[in-house]
Amino acid sequence: GAGVSQSPRYKVAKRGQDVALRCDPISGHVSLFWYQQALGQGPEFLTYFQNEAQLDKSGLPSDRFFAERPEGSVSTLKIQRTQQEDSAVYLCASSPTSGGGLDYGYTFGSGTRLTVV
Amino acid sequence: GIQVEQSPPDLILQEGANSTLRCNFSDSVNNLQWFHQNPWGQLINLFYIPSGTKQNGRLSATTVATERYSLLYISSSQTTDSGVYFCAVERRGNSGYSTLTFGKGTMLLVSP
Repeated sequence: GAGVSQSPRYKVAKRGQDVALRCDPISGHVSLFWYQQALGQGPEFLTYFQNEAQLDKSGLPSDRFFAERPEGSVSTLKIQRTQQEDSAVYLCASSPTSGGGLDYGYTFGSGTRLTVV
Repeated sequence: GIQVEQSPPDLILQEGANSTLRCNFSDSVNNLQWFHQNPWGQLINLFYIPSGTKQNGRLSATTVATERYSLLYISSSQTTDSGVYFCAVERRGNSGYSTLTFGKGTMLLVSP
């Protein structure tokens, strides 16, 4: 597609519920990143994929967070047993090269706003 | 890790006014980018500017890498400039990939 597409756009989950957030990167983009943006804050890194390989998951806040990109294109971020502190906007970004890099360009999706009640 | 500080945190302008947004970072960086997050949450690339000065219409940016700061100038502001402006820096290590560190942003409101 022309841009990075994320779905759903909004998600309300009851505390304890599992959620799955989807990211469709730009076709052919090698690198895919997930970021979490809490209210009033800048985005913070969660995890990085190079094709289907998850090379960095150091930013995932707990073992309730899990991400996958099984065929090297679409990625899913799953949050198990959601808690109120998980409420945030989850942003996906893709880049055409291995390793990403601002000099090669990042494209961000519009994000999924997750509210846990 | 590297710290990125943006100022001011909030800014209210009358349409037509000029403004300067600042981004300080605590260590040397490989790259720096300014983004605009519109009211729908989309992060829009404004300037890729690891050093030097760039201009695009009413917007311009300057990065002085040796002094670890970058400035974003908005002239003749319009209501459509409203939103949050983020500075993001990138440092590359030995891992072969890099991630972005964002500041907390400057929220700009331009009133008619």
